[in-house]
Amino acid sequence: KAGVTQTPRYLIKTRGQQVTLSCSPISGHRSVSWYQQTPGQGLQFLFEYFSETQRNKGNFPGRFSGRQFSNSRSEMNVSTLELGDSALYLCASSSSTSGSTYEQYFGPGTRLTVT
Amino acid sequence: GNSVTQMEGPVTLSEEAFLTINCTYTATGYPSLFWYVQYPGEGLQLLLKATKADDKGSNKGFEATYRKETTSFHLEKGSVQVSDSAVYFCALSSTDKLIFGTGTRLQVFP
Repeated sequence: KAGVTQTPRYLIKTRGQQVTLSCSPISGHRSVSWYQQTPGQGLQFLFEYFSETQRNKGNFPGRFSGRQFSNSRSEMNVSTLELGDSALYLCASSSSTSGSTYEQYFGPGTRLTVT
Repeated sequence: GNSVTQMEGPVTLSEEAFLTINCTYTATGYPSLFWYVQYPGEGLQLLLKATKADDKGSNKGFEATYRKETTSFHLEKGSVQVSDSAVYFCALSSTDKLIFGTGTRLQVFP
């Protein structure tokens, strides 16, 4: 089975611009989560989608948004980029529908640099 | 709220040494616990998991036991290799998301 794929792998954007990142989950997985990884804040949860519905959301401003398509592929968008948005954005997929056994599989990430 | 605390790194070891990376957690209910590993320039790989008290997760020579009485999930390996050099993250499941510790960098020298 192919793993989680993310595109693009690297991005350089300027402050004020917007960006869209894409994630394709493992085949058959219907849950997709997004995390931001920075040296200062570590790994922080952004949001989770299941069957095209946002099921959970972390503490990020409204500039961060996402969506999921009927084929489970997901995109996240960041508008009005700030320098502090520079980070590795990780997508993870899971076959779990809910519950505590939430085993997630991660993609390689998209490295976003805001200048 | 739920949280995970990991020992500060880096942990520096010689090849074939014994490894312990401490992880403790605070949680309501009975979360599942995980260890993930991140190699340079890559995403996170699931290393092992445990879903209930006294469960032992194991993979590639690494082990961790879910200890409810001490709220711990320490990672151990009997003999590390240079190829084990990476950052290790302890995590717990909480309401459809994972909560991660800060990560512990392991450096293994020949």
